[in-house]
Amino acid sequence: QLQLQESGPGLVKPSETLSLTCIVSGGSMISNAYYWGWVRQPPGKGLEWIGNIYYSETTYYNPSLESRVTISVDTSKNQLSLKLSSVTAADTAVYYCARRFKWNYFDAFDIWGQGTMVTVSS
Amino acid sequence: DIQMTQSPSSLSASVGDRVTITCRASQSISNYVNWYQQKPGKAPKLLIHTASSLQSWVPPLRFTGSGSGTDFTLTISSLQPEDFATYYCQQSYSIPLTFGGGTKVEIK
Repeated sequence: QLQLQESGPGLVKPSETLSLTCIVSGGSMISNAYYWGWVRQPPGKGLEWIGNIYYSETTYYNPSLESRVTISVDTSKNQLSLKLSSVTAADTAVYYCARRFKWNYFDAFDIWGQGTMVTVSS
Repeated sequence: DIQMTQSPSSLSASVGDRVTITCRASQSISNYVNWYQQKPGKAPKLLIHTASSLQSWVPPLRFTGSGSGTDFTLTISSLQPEDFATYYCQQSYSIPLTFGGGTKVEIK
C-alpha cells in the first residue's frame, strides 16, 4: 500500500528557504498516471495547491507561488522535494505531499501524506 | 484562475439528517470536480472524483455527488457520527488547481 511521509524543519526564519522532503514507500513513483506534488493549509484555513511534478521532471506550479517554488523528484530514492524561498509568516502552514492520479477523466489527489507543520518565525 | 465557492461555510446537523453542500465554479468545468473529507488533525481524504464517482471506501447509499458545468452538490443522505468533518471541493479542469473554502459539518 502506497504511503507518503513528509519531513523537514518545523521552524524556518523569515526570508529563508523552506525545504521539505516526502518519501514514497510501498510503490513506484514512475507511471504515466502519477503526478507528485504539494498542497498546504494555513492554520484554521483552507487548502492551497502549490505544484506538481511528473516523473519525467516536468513541473506545474501555482502562479501565485511560482517565483519562489521549486519541486523536484528523485525516482531512484522514491523521494519528492519542495523548496520555497523568501518565506514570510504567510507561509506558515501544514504542508502535505500528495499523489495526483490523472488517467482519462480521473484527476484527483488520491493519496496524501500525514502533513508536516512549518512555522515561519524569527 | 477558476474560483470555487462553497456554501454554506459551516452547518450544524443531527445524526440522521440529510445534508447538502454546494460548490459553484467561476466558469464551466464540465464534471472535473472532486470532493474531499478532512477530519481535525488529519490529511484530506478523496471522497468523490469526477463529480459523482465514489471512492471505494465511501458508503454508496449515504454519499452522493452530482452536477456539471458550474454547479455541484455533495449530499449526505443520513448523517452518521463519523461524517462530522470539513468537506472541500476541488476543480481539476485547469491549472492552477483550486479548492473551495470548505464546509464544516458540526454536531447540533
